[in-house]
Amino acid sequence: DAGVTQSPTHLIKTRGQQVTLRCSPKSGHDTVSWYQQALGQGPQFIFQYYEEEERQRGNFPDRFSGHQFPNYSSELNVNALLLGDSALYLCASSFVRDSQETQYFGPGTRLLVL
Amino acid sequence: AQSVSQHNHHVILSEAASLELGCNYSYGGTVNLFWYVQYPGQHLQLLLKYFSGDPLVKGIKGFEAEFIKSKFSFNLRKPSVQWSDTAEYFCAVKTYYGNNRLAFGKGNQVVVIP
Repeated sequence: DAGVTQSPTHLIKTRGQQVTLRCSPKSGHDTVSWYQQALGQGPQFIFQYYEEEERQRGNFPDRFSGHQFPNYSSELNVNALLLGDSALYLCASSFVRDSQETQYFGPGTRLLVL
Repeated sequence: AQSVSQHNHHVILSEAASLELGCNYSYGGTVNLFWYVQYPGQHLQLLLKYFSGDPLVKGIKGFEAEFIKSKFSFNLRKPSVQWSDTAEYFCAVKTYYGNNRLAFGKGNQVVVIP
């Protein structure tokens, strides 16, 4: 049973570029959440996708957008990259109808913006 | 929005010592509580969780946590640590109604000296 997978593992971009990160949820999960983890900080919630729609959003600008596909996998897109976007981007999956919904995390994509 | 506080960001202790990490949150309603662990080079893993019932929760690897509602706390404990417990530990809170995001603390970097 595969856990949450993310690609790529590492990415280097320059300011102003755009990036797409990908996530495949754990088998049986239908909900994907994205988090940004800056160095020395805890993960910060970006948004959550369920039934191919953005369900909740954290305090992130519109440069951050996402998508969920019918197979529950998800993408995170960041436009007009800034130096401050350098971070570990984490994807977490869960099953929303579980009364004890628990999020399971992937290994993350480390993004460096130069 | 709820906030999560973890104190003593860096903890250094010897093998066989006892470990206690504090976690306090600011939300007054019903909450779900989690501790996640990130071992060096590995992804965030669930250590234990609390949804309801017995406020003393047992997790993997000999860890336990106690939910004290009156103190808005969910402290993590292990009676005797091992070198392999060297990791970063994150407390996370999810409010029960209408909010599926996890709010994380800044983490505790724990180093166990053999």
